[in-house]
Amino acid sequence: AQKVTQAQTEISVVEKEDVTLDCVYETRDTTYYLFWYKQPPSGELVFLIRRNSFDEQNEISGRYSWNFQKSTSSFNFTITASQVVDSAVYFCALSLYNFNKFYFGSGTKLNVKP
Amino acid sequence: NAGVTQTPKFQVLKTGQSMTLQCAQDMNHEYMSWYRQDPGMGLRLIHYSVGAGITDQGEVPNGYNVSRSTTEDFPLRLLSAAPSQTSVYFCASTRRQGRNTGELFFGEGSRLTVL
Repeated sequence: AQKVTQAQTEISVVEKEDVTLDCVYETRDTTYYLFWYKQPPSGELVFLIRRNSFDEQNEISGRYSWNFQKSTSSFNFTITASQVVDSAVYFCALSLYNFNKFYFGSGTKLNVKP
Repeated sequence: NAGVTQTPKFQVLKTGQSMTLQCAQDMNHEYMSWYRQDPGMGLRLIHYSVGAGITDQGEVPNGYNVSRSTTEDFPLRLLSAAPSQTSVYFCASTRRQGRNTGELFFGEGSRLTVL
């Protein structure tokens, strides 16, 4: 069975602080994909990144970076110099190679205060 | 660019009533799915489809029915609404091959309240 755990229910930071959102996943399959999605207060769900199980390179996109470690089954998301616009609920998700099912974590609500 | 369109955005039902949430996508995606979002529980998969005429159950299928007669449309039917089905529902689609594989495109959500 597949499972995604986001242990941090809610995080509050002050603007310009760095923040890391944790994601731990469980699967016995060797081919899988990991994702992060953002849900701002307006409610829509926005894709941020996809990573496959064979690519452990960290990725950086502007102030966002992702750290994928198979050894610890983690796919953590770091926001550098956070901004108020980063306030949202962030979901980590897992899918197997065939993309039949997507398994989402319970989400982490990030509050960035000015 | 319409993307994924869900209707209605809001609906109030009485226990026992039935209704259909509509979902349409114009991206020619093979894969479509329905999720429900409840506080503290993330998104849970209700049903999914990998192509016209093919549907399967997700994590929480009970009380819901789906069909996929065309590539574009994937309606979700509540057969006899219960208060436990009060939730926000999201439809999502994606490609299973090629560019942007697995990147889910979501509709705006439908907030359903069952009294």
